Amino acid sequence: AQSVTQLGSHVSVSEGALVLLRCNYSSSVPPYLFWYVQYPNQGLQLLLKYTSAATLVKGINGFEAEFKKSETSFHLTKPSAHMRDAAEYFCAVSGDSADGLTFGKGTHLIIQP
Amino acid sequence: NAGVTQTPKFRVLKTGQSMTLLCAQDMNHEYMYWYRQDPGMGLRLIHYSVGEGTTAKGEVPDGYNVSRLKKQNFLLGLESAAPSQTSVYFCASRKAPFSGRQETQYFGPGTRLLVL
Repeated sequence: AQSVTQLGSHVSVSEGALVLLRCNYSSSVPPYLFWYVQYPNQGLQLLLKYTSAATLVKGINGFEAEFKKSETSFHLTKPSAHMRDAAEYFCAVSGDSADGLTFGKGTHLIIQP
Repeated sequence: NAGVTQTPKFRVLKTGQSMTLLCAQDMNHEYMYWYRQDPGMGLRLIHYSVGEGTTAKGEVPDGYNVSRLKKQNFLLGLESAAPSQTSVYFCASRKAPFSGRQETQYFGPGTRLLVL
């Protein structure tokens, strides 16, 4: 069984500041890890994914995440926040099976001008 | 390709009414999923299917039924809607397990359901 914990239901940063969204996972099998973004009243868009290749994963819109097995973490970062980054972000985990992704509860990112 | 589409986009039901949500994908994917999204809860898996004619329960299956009669379609049914089923429903699909492949799970645009 897998589970995901996203620390902080709301994160506020200033425009141009570092974005750090935290995700810790629990998995009894080697995990596959994902970050999705959801803009208001829209569906989910894949930002990036870890599937056992490089531990530092680069995604779209300047985001990246690092898989740290020892810390069971997959935190999402972006060096410089833009106003357009304001959205809901979901971390998700899956094993190597047909089971669906298990999602965290989400982090709402607020960008202050 | 249209990807994953959902019908309808929005629906209002009265308690006790029934309805069916349709998910369609044109990517020849084997696996299809239904999730519900509620504020502060993230997305939770309702039911899923690993191929035509198969279905399985997810985390929150009570009050829902599903059918996969055709590979490209996955139907979610509410036999007797309750206010607790007010939610946004997302369908998703993917081709195969994630291992060793560049697999991605694709999501539909969602269906907003309000049960009064």
